[in-house]
Amino acid sequence: DAGITQSPRHKVTETGTPVTLRCHQTENHRYMYWYRQDPGHGLRLIHYSYGVKDTDKGEVSDGYSVSRSKTEDFLLTLESATSSQTSVYFCAISKGASNQPQHFGDGTRLSIL
Amino acid sequence: DAKTTQPTSMDCAEGRAANLPCNHSTISGNEYVYWYRQIHSQGPQYIIHGLKNNETNEMASLIITEDRKSSTLILPHATLRDTAVYYCIVRVNRDDKIIFGKGTRLHILP
Repeated sequence: DAGITQSPRHKVTETGTPVTLRCHQTENHRYMYWYRQDPGHGLRLIHYSYGVKDTDKGEVSDGYSVSRSKTEDFLLTLESATSSQTSVYFCAISKGASNQPQHFGDGTRLSIL
Repeated sequence: DAKTTQPTSMDCAEGRAANLPCNHSTISGNEYVYWYRQIHSQGPQYIIHGLKNNETNEMASLIITEDRKSSTLILPHATLRDTAVYYCIVRVNRDDKIIFGKGTRLHILP
């Protein structure tokens, strides 16, 4: 398995609170990604990073911010969580070339009450 | 962006080969075809990818038509543990994003 650790694995919190999810990799891969997965929508890209301090938006970035201060860590922050952000969040990593696959973590199940 | 079309679901008997089709008629010449699967509650798992030639690894074989407009993932001897949703994806080159469709739900029947 690719060396990807997501934390926490499960979290329940209240609307309006800030939430930070962490993705840690031991592979020294350049690219890191955050996806969310919801019934009926499949996997959707939130944000991604192509290097330290280099990030860009995905298709569903509203309400989320990210930071990457070290190669190995990619943080996803919900500044003020809403119930619509209840989802399963997956982190992925890749070497970045088009012929290199993305490898996924085990996910974080987040519930916003 | 190239998109893919897959059947919503398929059944396969345990021990038989599972053949999962995918159409990607708008694929560009330098875009790769990737296959992933997702077993319930787990993260997507990379299976195989290819550009033009057929590919084989320890998990599966990938057959890409000569015109590259379609491909087939072959699991040679399906087991119950192969029950999953299988995603066929065409890699978007310019910014390395992956667009996941709805995939094919494969049921392996005992």
